[in-house]
Order: sequence, then C-alpha cells, then structure tokens
Amino acid sequence: NAGVTQTPKFQVLKTGQSMTLQCAQDMNHEYMSWYRQDPGMGLRLIHYSVGAGITDQGEVPNGYNVSRSTTEDFPLRLLSAAPSQTSVYFCASSVLADAFGELFFGEGSRLTVL
Amino acid sequence: AQTVTQSQPEMSVQEAETVTLSCTYDTSESDYYLFWYKQPPSRQMILVIRQEAYKQQNATENRFSVNFQKAAKSFSLKISDSQLGDAAMYFCAYRRFSARQLTFGSGTQLTVLP
Repeated sequence: NAGVTQTPKFQVLKTGQSMTLQCAQDMNHEYMSWYRQDPGMGLRLIHYSVGAGITDQGEVPNGYNVSRSTTEDFPLRLLSAAPSQTSVYFCASSVLADAFGELFFGEGSRLTVL
Repeated sequence: AQTVTQSQPEMSVQEAETVTLSCTYDTSESDYYLFWYKQPPSRQMILVIRQEAYKQQNATENRFSVNFQKAAKSFSLKISDSQLGDAAMYFCAYRRFSARQLTFGSGTQLTVLP
C-alpha cells in the first residue's frame, strides 16, 4: 500500500539553486495538492490540482511551479531557492467524488536552503 | 478568508486522563467540514476525526470526540483515556463544502505523561 509517496525526504540547497520535489499517488485520486509547514503556522497551501492538465494557486504560490501531466504525479518545482523556502513540504491527495474528500498525506520532505 | 485559531500551543495530560484541545474558526459559509489531524514525530499526518457542519450530532471515533458549537464557531477535540501513543501535534482544519483545500490552525503539541 504505497499511498502518497514523496521524494526526496531530505534536501539541502544553496540559494539560487533549483530543484523538484516529487509526489506520486497510486490511489487514482483526482485532487492533489502541496502544503508547506512552518513552525507556529500550521500547513499552508501552495498549489493544487483537480485533474491532469489543471492546476491552481493556493495561499503561498510565489517561488513555486507545478504541473500535472498524469493523474498519478504532481511535482513541485522551486525555480530559484531562497532561505525563506526552508520548510517541510507535504503532498496530499483525495477523491473528488467523495463529499468528505479525506486528504491522504505523504510523509513530508524537509528542505533546507542555505 | 477563513481562519482557524488554536490558542493552546502546548498541552499536557497524564496517561489515562482526559484532555480537551480547543479550536475556533471564522467563516461566513453555512456548509463546511471540520477536521482534526494528528502529526506524530514521524511527520505523517493522520486524520483523527471529522465533522460536517450541517450535522448537529458531535462526531466520535473511539476515544476521540468533538464538541462542535456552530454558533460559537468552536470545534474542540476531547481525548479520553489518554495513551502514550497520543503524544503528537494536533491540527484543527476547516474546509468549505465544495472545495478540497484545507485551512489549518497553528497546532497544539500534546504531551502525555506516564
């Protein structure tokens, strides 16, 4: 039972570098999303997608890019990393047809930008 | 915009005792969902309990129950017979009825004392 898989789990970057956080789910969920978690601030939505080819911005989208070419994958790209992007990133997915739409989370990716 | 407030950054409880975690939210919507998520040291976000706003009956899941006061916009979590495995960060979250995006509170760190 893989569920939502995020890679890498840990990453250290230098300011200005780019990288991609990978997210894959094997539950055929239409909805996928990325959150960042910072101390004392809970989780904040970065970007989300309701299906292949459809993406939209969340609360804190600046500095991040996403695409959704398949139902399974939803990568998050940092175009030019900044220290303010040091955080723990969570990918989450859910079924759209279910009214409750329980979100299933990955295990998180801890990113440090020096 | 909706906001979720958890006013207790830290709480502690003796093993086998009962503890209540507070959550208030602000919304102009009449239909919505409320959730409590648990985040243990492993970082994995786990759904504890959920409540539909149009249901007056408080949700319960084994030792976990909520006190949902719609008029007061309050959604507290009660943990009965606390166990060492309940130690975690607990997040309250809000979701509009027709959306999938969650708005999280800042979290309450629960310590269970043996």
